[in-house]
Amino acid sequence: AQSVTQLDSQVPVFEEAPVELRCNYSSSVSVYLFWYVQYPNQGLQLLLKYLSGSTLVKGINGFEAEFNKSQTSFHLRKPSVHISDTAEYFCAVIRPANTGNQFYFGTGTSLTVIP
Amino acid sequence: NAGVTQTPKFQVLKTGQSMTLQCAQDMNHEYMSWYRQDPGMGLRLIHYSVGAGITDQGEVPNGYNVSRSTTEDFPLRLLSAAPSQTSVYFCASKTSGSGMETQYFGPGTRLLVL
Repeated sequence: AQSVTQLDSQVPVFEEAPVELRCNYSSSVSVYLFWYVQYPNQGLQLLLKYLSGSTLVKGINGFEAEFNKSQTSFHLRKPSVHISDTAEYFCAVIRPANTGNQFYFGTGTSLTVIP
Repeated sequence: NAGVTQTPKFQVLKTGQSMTLQCAQDMNHEYMSWYRQDPGMGLRLIHYSVGAGITDQGEVPNGYNVSRSTTEDFPLRLLSAAPSQTSVYFCASKTSGSGMETQYFGPGTRLLVL
């Protein structure tokens, strides 16, 4: 079985400051990793995903994430946040060999950007 | 393309009532799924389907039924609503395959069970 842990439930940060949202996963086999964003009263949108290759993945809206296999982490970063980045962020994993390709989501991190 | 659509957007039920949450997608995706989102628990998989006529249980299937008679539609049925089913429900779809595919989410249905 695999699980996803998002270590911070809430992250307040000032506008134009950098931010890191942490995600760790547990799996004994290779996984695909995803970050989704949920703006208030909306569904989830894909920010970025890691499938293979370069461990640094760039996504939309200036976000990037780095896959670290030894630390089983996939932390999300942005060098300078905007007010519009205020949202809920979810890390998710999928095990390619898993029948049905089920996604497993973390509990989410609420990012609040303070003007 | 409309993407993934869900109806209704909001619903209030009394304990014991039944209802169906509708989900449709126009992207010809084989894989569809239902999640519920609760505070502090993230999204949890209720049921999923890898194609028409095929459904399977996810993490929290009790109290819910699904069917997949067409590729486009994947309704979620609450048989006898309970207050514990108060939640936000999201339907999602993607092409089946290796798992690399992006999953697309609907806007959600907010359900309150009194």
